[in-house]
Amino acid sequence: GESVGLHLPTLSVQEGDNSIINCAYSNSASDYFIWYKQESGKGPQFIIDIRSNMDKRQGQRVTVLLNKTVKHLSLQIAATQPGDSAVYFCAETLFSGSARQLTFGSGTQLTVLP
Amino acid sequence: EADIYQTPRYLVIGTGKKITLECSQTMGHDKMYWYQQDPGMELHLIHYSYGVNSTEKGDLSSESTVSRIRTEHFPLTLESARPSHTSQYLCASSDDFYNEQFFGPGTRLTVL
Repeated sequence: GESVGLHLPTLSVQEGDNSIINCAYSNSASDYFIWYKQESGKGPQFIIDIRSNMDKRQGQRVTVLLNKTVKHLSLQIAATQPGDSAVYFCAETLFSGSARQLTFGSGTQLTVLP
Repeated sequence: EADIYQTPRYLVIGTGKKITLECSQTMGHDKMYWYQQDPGMELHLIHYSYGVNSTEKGDLSSESTVSRIRTEHFPLTLESARPSHTSQYLCASSDDFYNEQFFGPGTRLTVL
């Protein structure tokens, strides 16, 4: 079918190293952000979220950093494992009228090398 | 794992056929969504629903239509499939627009 959007950027890291995946979001009014992980052949899976009144949030082996000044979001994965190999999408959302819409970023393909 | 299901997982069909992609969730979520994703590409929202009898078009124009007669069911229909419809279609749901969306496994559609 006709392709929409851009091909995904890629990031390769050694097993055990830390990974940093970056995302630039588009709307300065967005107030909620989510990182999703999508493994091959599967639907996206929630990893971690952050609201705009925070600049950092930590989960299990993952940390999300939010810089509203430059509209930048990052996902840090500690001690990267082979199971972390996947495509990672950031998503932003804002309240628009009576509804919210979630807008996904272009995604990054993470490959963990043995 | 999230309780959201899509059938079929894979579908190969000829041009001109009418197809319906099924999506069901057992979480009682009001909000449901359909996304289109080409291999190695980003997700694009094509339809969403606030609840029963409510449907809206998303950011990406699509020739498909949706219906929401029951809370748990959000089917997507293509009246006349064409090769340009070849893609992966992902269904998702959430209990609020402000919360995470749970995704189904997707339907990979190929139109010959």
